[in-house]
Amino acid sequence: GAGVSQSPRYKVAKRGQDVALRCDPISGHVSLFWYQQALGQGPEFLTYFQNEAQLDKSGLPSDRFFAERPEGSVSTLKIQRTQQEDSAVYLCASSLGRQQETQYFGPGTRLLVL
Amino acid sequence: RKEVEQDPGPFNVPEGATVAFNCTYSNSASQSFFWYRQDCRKEPKLLMSVYSSGNEDGRFTAQLNRASQYISLLIRDSKLSDSATYLCVVTEVRGGKLIFGQGTELSVKP
Repeated sequence: GAGVSQSPRYKVAKRGQDVALRCDPISGHVSLFWYQQALGQGPEFLTYFQNEAQLDKSGLPSDRFFAERPEGSVSTLKIQRTQQEDSAVYLCASSLGRQQETQYFGPGTRLLVL
Repeated sequence: RKEVEQDPGPFNVPEGATVAFNCTYSNSASQSFFWYRQDCRKEPKLLMSVYSSGNEDGRFTAQLNRASQYISLLIRDSKLSDSATYLCVVTEVRGGKLIFGQGTELSVKP
């Protein structure tokens, strides 16, 4: 079956530009997570959805970051007024939820802010 | 102090070698423990879960010591295809967010 997909795979943005990153989770997966991975580091948690409810956004680094999952499937991570320090790989993961722990990751969106 | 700490390596080993990775975590209430593998410019993939009783999957053995808050991964008879970054991961709530270590890079040479 289809895995988690993300688009775009690569994004180059000028500093100050707004960007939107899309995640299509595995069909039927209740839980959806966003992570940010800087070069040479492990992924770091950004935010978590259970269906359409955003239950944890404690990892979002600033109010320039916003995520939504309005219908409980596709999710969008939006970054406003991008800064150079936002350059990273943004990973989306989904899981069945209900304490089923295995998270399946998408290929990521590689964002470069110039 | 980071919540999950690993030696970043790189570990450069010849084919057939045995290599061990170690990891420590700071939250004694952590619930679940994993090793993920990440190939260059790819997404992380679950390698194996880690249990206090220890578990083995072919050439890979994982151990958890809750008292010491220490997790290990042993790879025996390493192959060229084992070259990757190995990420130590914990969760504080079952089914919750993954907390990753920095990752340990392994390079297996012929």
